[in-house]
Amino acid sequence: QSVLTQPPSASGTPGQRVTISCSGSTSNIGSKSVNWYQQLPGTAPKVLIYYDTQRPSGVPDRFSASKFGTSASLAISGLQSEDEADYYCATWDDSLNGWVFGGGTKLTVL
Amino acid sequence: EVQLVQSGGEVKKPGESLRISCKGSGYSFTNYWIGWVRQMPGKGLEWMGGIFPGDSDTRYRPSFQGQVTISVDKSISTASLQWSSLKASDTAVYYCARGRSGRVYDPLDIWGQGTVVTVSS
Repeated sequence: QSVLTQPPSASGTPGQRVTISCSGSTSNIGSKSVNWYQQLPGTAPKVLIYYDTQRPSGVPDRFSASKFGTSASLAISGLQSEDEADYYCATWDDSLNGWVFGGGTKLTVL
Repeated sequence: EVQLVQSGGEVKKPGESLRISCKGSGYSFTNYWIGWVRQMPGKGLEWMGGIFPGDSDTRYRPSFQGQVTISVDKSISTASLQWSSLKASDTAVYYCARGRSGRVYDPLDIWGQGTVVTVSS
């Protein structure tokens, strides 16, 4: 059971907008910034969003994120077939004194 | 280019020892945390622990404390993860990842390519 809760799956058609949620608590999302990772099959995770809403250079602006209280969400607009991947939220947990990840959401582009 | 390059895949038997490595380049190795993340087959990501190369400050997730050892050799900009006695349940892909700055809770922004560890009799 992951400390951060994500839906196990999400789907959309090309061009659609999809959102992935991440729910935590006051000791993690409620007090530390959230990061989002994309993991394509057979590859290492890649950071999409850090410090709640910031995109590293090279990440398309189709990817955006928000946070409110102890929940966060990732939005992908203009869905493309190459967005099919696993997506993870992550943050530091002050109670566990360590990094915690969501269980991951498998995004399928129909 | 900032990068982390990990050692190659390993096939081991239960009870054997193992050390895998993660070499940083393109940045000041001693100024950024290095974390280790496990991904068991078909499962999600799990932080095992991390180390700050500058002073060797080391943190472990409680479930990994005593099961693995995280260390660093600043002279060769390399962090290591080691086991003294492997179990079949250690079969996984292990990633190292660099923290974005000197704080342990800053984002893990650069990831190694992963090391596949297979433990089987």
